[in-house]
Amino acid sequence: GQQLNQSPQSMFIQEGEDVSMNCTSSSIFNTWLWYKQDPGEGPVLLIALYKAGELTSNGRLTAQFGITRKDSFLNISASIPSDVGIYFCAGQLRGSYNTDKLIFGTGTRLQVFP
Amino acid sequence: AAGVIQSPRHLIKEKRETATLKCYPIPRHDTVYWYQQGPGQDPQFLISFYEKMQSDKGSIPDRFSAQQFSDYHSELNMSSLELGDSALYFCASSLTGTGADTIYFGEGSWLTVV
Repeated sequence: GQQLNQSPQSMFIQEGEDVSMNCTSSSIFNTWLWYKQDPGEGPVLLIALYKAGELTSNGRLTAQFGITRKDSFLNISASIPSDVGIYFCAGQLRGSYNTDKLIFGTGTRLQVFP
Repeated sequence: AAGVIQSPRHLIKEKRETATLKCYPIPRHDTVYWYQQGPGQDPQFLISFYEKMQSDKGSIPDRFSAQQFSDYHSELNMSSLELGDSALYFCASSLTGTGADTIYFGEGSWLTVV
């Protein structure tokens, strides 16, 4: 089945530093999404990417959809303590009745030290 | 704004018992998805429903079943529980056809099997 590999698995950085994480897949996805998950809570959407090569920003977050549609990266600039959490990439697959199934990546755990 | 509501938030069951999780989607959303997230793992897609019809099936064990009711809420029934079923179960909802960026996750139901 489809598998999305994220790297790095975990990151320990100091407040103010920039962060970069990426996600690769053996399969092509039409849509890539980046989520943040706080402990014990559901994933919250950060950025959605729809076009190959697309570069999208959301505040301090920037994400790009790879040209091959098999990879994506997420950058966080000037990290702050509330950036702590687990970041997941997800690829969207279209199911029956036009519903969307998400395949999640393996996650990147981010820890920010003041 | 109303979000996806899941109940119960926490559940403790013994092996071989049965558990039922409930999900109330965002109003006007017609699709619900169920995901299972084991400790330290990424969310795994279980099953989805559109307008009370099963639209997609993932890695859902045969011991589990789910359905969507006429009011669009959904229930995940888990029987013959095993220790490995201990996980955080997420429900998500969306309005089909509006894009993967309109999938919203609930806060999850913690199931602990002892």
